[in-house]
Amino acid sequence: GAVVSQHPSRVICKSGTSVKIECRSLDFQATTMFWYRQFPKQSLMLMATSNEGSKATYEQGVEKDKFLINHASLTLSTLTVTSAHPEDSSFYICSARDHSGGAFNEQFFGPGTRLTVL
Amino acid sequence: DAKTTQPTSMDCAEGRAANLPCNHSTISGNEYVYWYRQIHSQGPQYIIHGLKNNETNEMASLIITEDRKSSTLILPHATLRDTAVYYCIVRVAGYNTDKLIFGTGTRLQVFP
Repeated sequence: GAVVSQHPSRVICKSGTSVKIECRSLDFQATTMFWYRQFPKQSLMLMATSNEGSKATYEQGVEKDKFLINHASLTLSTLTVTSAHPEDSSFYICSARDHSGGAFNEQFFGPGTRLTVL
Repeated sequence: DAKTTQPTSMDCAEGRAANLPCNHSTISGNEYVYWYRQIHSQGPQYIIHGLKNNETNEMASLIITEDRKSSTLILPHATLRDTAVYYCIVRVAGYNTDKLIFGTGTRLQVFP
């Protein structure tokens, strides 16, 4: 299957700083990528849909000014957590959709980034 | 969006078949049933999907009832590495959407 990578895999930062997480589709082009957040022992929560060359679409309750998403190329989307606080500590997962599969455009998930804000 | 309900947890002996049920009574005619799993601290992994016919691949089989209100994921010979949270998802499809909305899933524990 297609491979999606995330960088970094783990990050620890101080409260008030900003953190950027990269999501890359390694062997396919992804016009659409998705960002999820997962707290311990909970399910994945969709944060936003990222479309190449256009603004991201955020889910209800997700602050777009706090979670900046940029999808500047067909293989890269970035999520920047601005002015991070301890409550932003979570597991952030991206997925990328391979549009080459016709109607069955599969989503492939990255390995996740664990963010800890001190 | 059609909602799914799954048991919170299940156990299965290694080598036996694991049958994971899912209810999706409000599914629409053009919505697919997808199954993903998430091993601890990793990203979800696609398993299988189907519309109304039963499906099988190298990982699992998917049995969908005739009325499409429920389905069962079958892992024919569970191994310890199949211990994970299994998510049954009804795919929300539409122009410029096509989101996957995850429910709470079933935590499958395979024991020796």
